[in-house]
Formats: sequence, structure tokens, C-alpha cells
Amino acid sequence: EVQLVQSGAEVKKPGESLKISCKGSGYSFTSYWIGWVRQMPEKGLEWMGIIYPGDSDTRYSPSFQGQVTISADKSISTAYLQWSSLKASDTAMYYCAFGPKLSYFDYWGQGTLVTVSS
Amino acid sequence: QSALTQPASVSGSPGQSITISCTGTSSDVGRYNLVSWYQQDPGKAPKLMIYEVSKRPSGVSNRFSGSKSGNTASLTISGLQAEDEADYYCCSNAGSNFVVFGGGTKVTVL
Repeated sequence: EVQLVQSGAEVKKPGESLKISCKGSGYSFTSYWIGWVRQMPEKGLEWMGIIYPGDSDTRYSPSFQGQVTISADKSISTAYLQWSSLKASDTAMYYCAFGPKLSYFDYWGQGTLVTVSS
Repeated sequence: QSALTQPASVSGSPGQSITISCTGTSSDVGRYNLVSWYQQDPGKAPKLMIYEVSKRPSGVSNRFSGSKSGNTASLTISGLQAEDEADYYCCSNAGSNFVVFGGGTKVTVL
């Protein structure tokens, strides 16, 4: 069974760092693009960026370039999204998803809720 | 990069057909045949309904169809059913390196 399992909900303070994960199984992790999508409370979907674990080719939306880092460890079929200094405006649900091309996602993780509050 | 423009809401009665528009520019929707559509139920992860303008993934009902003309893509749901009530998002390449979503459309079945 194809699955993307994301790490659990996080509550952090502004200025703290964070790394959330997304573990793939049931498919060839290195042969598909895996990306991250943000959904702020009661808002729409925002494409953040994507990585091809086979060669670590990484692309970012201009809106998120420099704000987050996307990485992957193909030895454990896991992708990551990290922040070095969180802001309250980073409070959102974050979904990982993968697909055969950069342009669309076949399968989605269950989401990780990140809450940033002092 | 601006989000693609979708109507905030569309409604229809059971059995009717509805169409959701997704308007971009010549740099995204108009340039690439890489428009996709996602359905999202409240509190759930999105689900791919259409990719590459008009292709349907395995398991998606043929009541869902996609098309594109110029800078505007469309998702049509025919034979509207109660279970189709959800938020729908379009998505398009906006360059060779990234993708942009539309603002989302809430579909209500009357």
C-alpha cells in the first residue's frame, strides 16, 4: 500500500527551529517528486517546494525561497521541511505529497499541524 | 507569484452540471498544459481529480472532466451528487521550477 506518513503536531514559540518529516512507503521513493503544501487556518492551498530524492534536485516557490528548507534522506525514504526561526504566521497545516512529475501530486500525507505561539 | 483566480463558490442541484473556472496568465495556465485539480473535504488531505488539463487518475469518476482555453482552465462536474460537496483547487506550473494553486472554490449541492 502506498503511504506517506507525516510526523505529529508541533507547538513551538516564535524564533524556535523546527523540522517535520514525511516517510514514504509502498513505492520507489527515489523515483518520484515529493513536495510540501501549506494550508493556513481557513485558507487555501499554497505550493511551497519540491524535491526529487533520487538526485536531491530541489525547487522552491518564490514565496517560500529562503524561508524554509526542503531535504530528503533516501536511505530511510523520508522527506523533511524545516524552519530555522519560526514566526506566528507559520501556523498552518503542512501536507507532504508526491507525484511522478513536478506539476501534480498523486498521493498526500495526512498533514502536520504546526502552531507557533508565544 | 499570484494565485490563480477561482470563484469563491459554485452551487448546483443534484443531477445538474457545474463548471469551476481557473484563470491565470500567459505565464502559467496559458503556457503549460499542466493544470491539475484537487478536491478537499473538510479536515482531510486534498485528492487529485484531474491532471495535465484533462486526464483522470484511476478511480476518479468520469463525471469529472477538465479543459483549457487560453489562460483559463475549467473543471466540470456532471450529474452533481451530494458527495461532490467540497472545496476544489486548481493548480498550474508557473515556470519550469514551481507551481501555483488557485484560491479555491467551495462547491455546494443544493
